Amino acid sequence: EPEVTQTPSHQVTQMGQEVILRCVPISNHLYFYWYRQILGQKVEFLVSFYNNEISEKSEIFDDQFSVERPDGSNFTLKIRSTKLEDSAMYFCASSGETTGVPGNQPQHFGDGTRLSIL
Amino acid sequence: AQSVTQLDSHVSVSEGTPVLLRCNYSSSYSPSLFWYVQHPNKGLQLLLKYTSAATLVKGINGFEAEFKKSETSFHLTKPSAHMSDAAEYFCVVRSYSSASKIIFGSGTRLSIRP
Repeated sequence: EPEVTQTPSHQVTQMGQEVILRCVPISNHLYFYWYRQILGQKVEFLVSFYNNEISEKSEIFDDQFSVERPDGSNFTLKIRSTKLEDSAMYFCASSGETTGVPGNQPQHFGDGTRLSIL
Repeated sequence: AQSVTQLDSHVSVSEGTPVLLRCNYSSSYSPSLFWYVQHPNKGLQLLLKYTSAATLVKGINGFEAEFKKSETSFHLTKPSAHMSDAAEYFCVVRSYSSASKIIFGSGTRLSIRP
């Protein structure tokens, strides 16, 4: 069964540095997402992406964050000038809607990247 | 606004006994509801989904959930627990106002006693 893959599984970075988290969504999916889960807290929506642009973002997704689909397979989350509170598990997901409107297709998640900011 | 409430943060059952994980939703519209499972150090795996078809939804690994509009509930059940079912379970609702966004409950940790 096709799956979403994320790299690296664990990223350790000094505060103030930039990090890029990488994801390869399921190949025929058109909608991509990032979520984060701070230790002990709920999984939170960050951003959704379709047709090479952001379709929705949460209040968490401020100017510090950006997403990109640099080629036909990768989907990246960049965090500039990381802060201690950015430490979390970051999940990428994709879904298989075939139109431009998200519908009832479930989102399929990767195993996550654990980001630790020192 | 849509939301889900998972009523138990931790459930512990003996192997071979039934499992019940409770979830109540809040939605002004007919919701799309999902259950996901997260095993330690793993990602979120879809167990099952409800999208206004049959109210009793069967998922993977013997799990099922029943959508009850009158009770605004979507509880997850399994007749007989296995040790491998030990994990965190999340009830999830799709936002109506922004359908690309899904909203997670706080999670229920399921422990299985031998």
